[in-house]
Amino acid sequence: DAMVIQNPRYQVTQFGKPVTLSCSQTLNHNVMYWYQQKSSQAPKLLFHYYDKDFNNEADTPDNFQSRRPNTSFCFLDIRSPGLGDAAMYLCATSRERGATDTQYFGPGTRLTVL
Amino acid sequence: AQSVTQLDSQVPVFEEAPVELRCNYSSSVSVYLFWYVQYPNQGLQLLLKYLSGSTLVKGINGFEAEFNKSQTSFHLRKPSVHISDTAEYFCAVSGVDTGNQFYFGTGTSLTVIP
Repeated sequence: DAMVIQNPRYQVTQFGKPVTLSCSQTLNHNVMYWYQQKSSQAPKLLFHYYDKDFNNEADTPDNFQSRRPNTSFCFLDIRSPGLGDAAMYLCATSRERGATDTQYFGPGTRLTVL
Repeated sequence: AQSVTQLDSQVPVFEEAPVELRCNYSSSVSVYLFWYVQYPNQGLQLLLKYLSGSTLVKGINGFEAEFNKSQTSFHLRKPSVHISDTAEYFCAVSGVDTGNQFYFGTGTSLTVIP
């Protein structure tokens, strides 16, 4: 009954080699988010989609891109991963993007950069 | 600027003992407060949330939290913990001055000792 699914759960890439992380949802929610969580730190919002409208956070590096081809799927592309990009990447969804809307999280993808 | 402080990074507690996980926030306007739990190798799951009304909020798995506006706190409590409560706990805040975004604390690792 998984509602927010992330693949793969663990991803290893080489320094500078592009990598794509995948997220899908069965909730039919309008909003999909990508967070980066480094060890012992709070999850940090990278960007979100409201339907097809992309919203980038001001301090998200250009190295990070996202695509949402349809309601169910959202991808995180890291064009040239650096060692500092090793982290847990969390996908979340919400029905709307109001302050009171609960966010539903996937299990995360742990990215290792060699 | 909005911020969330979780005062304890690690909390060990014996099984069946009570526990309190502390969360303080900074905001000059109305806020909405959330507690999420992350079990090992799983995504974040909503425990409870405060939107308005009664300051004592009850959540899943026997957890409750109290919103204290004067102390800008939203501490999480459980009167008797189980081994299965071992997990990472995150406090989050959202509101008008966060652009309706969620800001997370750095988490508290709760370890229940048999």
